[in-house]
Formats: sequence, structure tokens, C-alpha cells
Amino acid sequence: QSVLTQPPSVSGAPGQRVTISCTGSSSNIGANFGVHWYQQLPGTAPKLLIYGDTNRPSGVPDRFSGSKSGTSASLAITGLQAEDEADYYCQSYDSSLSGFVFGTGTKVTVL
Amino acid sequence: QLVESGGGFVQPGGSLRLSCAASGFTFNIYTIHWVRQAPGKGLEYVSAINSNGGRAYYANSVKGRFTISRDNSKSTVSLQMGSLRAEDMALYYCAREIYSTSHDGFDIWGQGTMVTVSS
Repeated sequence: QSVLTQPPSVSGAPGQRVTISCTGSSSNIGANFGVHWYQQLPGTAPKLLIYGDTNRPSGVPDRFSGSKSGTSASLAITGLQAEDEADYYCQSYDSSLSGFVFGTGTKVTVL
Repeated sequence: QLVESGGGFVQPGGSLRLSCAASGFTFNIYTIHWVRQAPGKGLEYVSAINSNGGRAYYANSVKGRFTISRDNSKSTVSLQMGSLRAEDMALYYCAREIYSTSHDGFDIWGQGTMVTVSS
């Protein structure tokens, strides 16, 4: 069950900035549980992009950034590149389910 | 790294046991999770087991049918799946949660093992 809602798709031209929203509720994002973001390239396993709302693992370009406010979070990609074309998922912990939940996923297309 | 195995073809109502073998890190301090992805669909959280195996979590969709366990001496986690349904057909990933005191992201993922449920 996806309790985190993302837009199905976003697109942008190379070099542009795109943002992906992740809307939750008071039992997950709004309860101040960390939001994590993953990138999934076609045919590959998900890769951690952002953890704990704003932190980038080693090796992730600083073109990727995360933010959170209230019951929502966002992933921003600046300087969009062709290699960024992928599916992106947010994730958080939900206290009412006592488990992690994933967002519905967003496909990023580079025009 | 994490390497899954055990996927395959099974009829509805059947059982299957997936394994996740870890290497290259201190296995017994990490919580390990299972996440699945049906063909063409998004990620679905399935199950988790804490570092010493004392606590397990199951999504409502698999509760009562799946059992997670781990053997820290062999650096493996298993997912015993029973009463399989068509909707369980998916690519199953195991993943490592970042070592922290909070519910953190998954920093290492396996390549996945495919489970096909069909008559």
C-alpha cells in the first residue's frame, strides 16, 4: 500500500531544474520520520540518492538535493542530464503501519 | 554486497524460500529488508528483520504467509513464502538499512530474484 504520493511523471530539458514532490501524512513524513529518495535506472536495482531528508551518500552528485516541510518532501535535480532519466521513489517510516512505505514513483524524462 | 537467490516458478498456493547472502561488511549489526517490485510497477515494502533476529516486520499483504529469518553465522537472511498468490509475482530485492538509531535509508541492494506465480 502506497501512502506516499508522487506525481507520475516530470520532464525537463538538459540543464534545467526539476522537482519531485512526495506527499505523506501525520503518521509518516509529518511525524518527523526521515525521508529517503532512490533512483532506479531501467533494469537495475534502486540506488539510494538522499537519506534523512537532506543527506547524500558518498558518490551522489550535489545536483541532487532533498528537502522536507510538514507532511511533504521534495527531491530537486539541478543541471538535468540525460543520465538522470529514471524512476525516482521516496520512502519513509509510518508509525501507524509500524513499517517503511514507498512513494508511488515518478518517471523523470529528459527532453 | 547482497546476493539474492531462490526465485523461480511456482503455482498458486505453493511455497518458495528466498535467500539473501551478504559479504563485505559486518552483517550482524544491520537490519535487513525485503522489497518487491511487480513487473512494470513500483516498489513495495515486504518484510524486515533486525540485527539479532529478535524482531520482524511484515507488510499486511504478506502477514501470516511469509516468514523472515536470519543466520548471522552464515551472513544470510531468508524469506519463506507460503500460500503464494498471483499478486506475489515480483522481483524480490533484499536491502541493507543504514546503521543508525533511526529508521534510515537502504544503502545496499541486491540485484533481485524473480518469483513467478502462475498455474
